[in-house]
Amino acid sequence: GAGVSQSPSNKVTEKGKDVELRCDPISGHTALYWYRQRLGQGLEFLIYFQGNSAPDKSGLPSDRFSAERTGESVSTLTIQRTQQEDSAVYLCASSFIGQGATQYFGPGTRLLVL
Amino acid sequence: ELKVEQNPLFLSMQEGKNYTIYCNYSTTSDRLYWYRQDPGKSLESLFVLLSNGAVKQEGRLMASLDTKARLSTLHITAAVHDLSATYFCAVANFGNEKLTFGTGTRLTIIP
Repeated sequence: GAGVSQSPSNKVTEKGKDVELRCDPISGHTALYWYRQRLGQGLEFLIYFQGNSAPDKSGLPSDRFSAERTGESVSTLTIQRTQQEDSAVYLCASSFIGQGATQYFGPGTRLLVL
Repeated sequence: ELKVEQNPLFLSMQEGKNYTIYCNYSTTSDRLYWYRQDPGKSLESLFVLLSNGAVKQEGRLMASLDTKARLSTLHITAAVHDLSATYFCAVANFGNEKLTFGTGTRLTIIP
């Protein structure tokens, strides 16, 4: 596809369940990013992939959060034992590597933990 | 730790007026981005500013960067309703790919 795609678009889950969020970056983009946006707030960085490795995972809020990327393409963000404070929109972005490379964002996954 | 502040947080403007959104950041940076977000939508890239004194314009929007003051501005000229959205600036540190975002400015253009 032409842009970054994410699935599911919406996810409602019960507290304590695990969820997996998927991101398909723009073809050829080496870098992939996950951000979180809580209601009415700016974006918080979670993790960055260059190829299949993650040189910066400093934004992951706890060990319940993990992410992987395979084939320098699809990435999944997994949240284990979800908590209500995990409710947010999870946005994925991709870009080429290089100074000034624009990060292109997907439509996001809206996660609601009941 | 890099911090990014925007002001104002909320801005209500009449059509046809000019206004400026300010973005201050706390440490030196080599890149600054402006994004637009419509309600319920994802972020759309507007501008990338890479050097001191950089100025970019697209339609009624113009962005500039002063790296010495650690300040970027987004100027809106003769606002129209279609510009109603939330605008974010985002900054990257040298050698770091992650973006640190400001809190956003919610702009409402009133007819």
